[in-house]
Amino acid sequence: DGGITQSPKYLFRKEGQNVTLSCEQNLNHDAMYWYRQDPGQGLRLIYYSQIVNDFQKGDIAEGYSVSREKKESFPLTVTSAQKNPTAFYLCASGEDRGRSGELFFGEGSRLTVL
Amino acid sequence: AQKITQTQPGMFVQEKEAVTLDCTYDTSDQSYGLFWYKQPSSGEMIFLIYQGSYDEQNATEGRYSLNFQKARKSANLVISASQLGDSAMYFCAMREANAGGTSYGKLTFGQGTILTVHP
Repeated sequence: DGGITQSPKYLFRKEGQNVTLSCEQNLNHDAMYWYRQDPGQGLRLIYYSQIVNDFQKGDIAEGYSVSREKKESFPLTVTSAQKNPTAFYLCASGEDRGRSGELFFGEGSRLTVL
Repeated sequence: AQKITQTQPGMFVQEKEAVTLDCTYDTSDQSYGLFWYKQPSSGEMIFLIYQGSYDEQNATEGRYSLNFQKARKSANLVISASQLGDSAMYFCAMREANAGGTSYGKLTFGQGTILTVHP
């Protein structure tokens, strides 16, 4: 089945450690996105990529890094510079053209810093 | 900059009744798309309905309809015949066109409305 796979689903990290969240899609979408969600809040954009080997900062990029070496993959690294990394992270992909700009989401990764 | 406002932090509705979730947006673009997503407690984001800025008719998808009032910049979601399974967080979102208007840019979300359906 086509879709977006995020891993791990749950992740615990000690302060000062970098962690990488995986996001893979087999929908052949050009655009991929990372959002952060805090409890009871909306989604805030961290980074997005509209083509391989290119990506742009979103609204809250500080303390995060990404890469887009393959169309199918858009991993997110939460670095030790991110001051408050405990959150729910959602990856999404979508077409950039056509009738609708609907984004398809993975099931999310919940990161807890101990 | 685009902005989405959902003024209702929480809404309650009786099973089988209709409910309207409010959404207003701010943009200077002529070409944009409006979306509603549902997020159950499991955390997944479920796409519900889409409205293009040039669509003259309001979008409908089963029990969901979007009340699009372009001049007022509002895109309210109407859920008819509410079911217990409709209890979830609902997000309104907007995607503007990139420069040149030939492709979409990033999706911006509102703060969400928690809907609770009572039996």
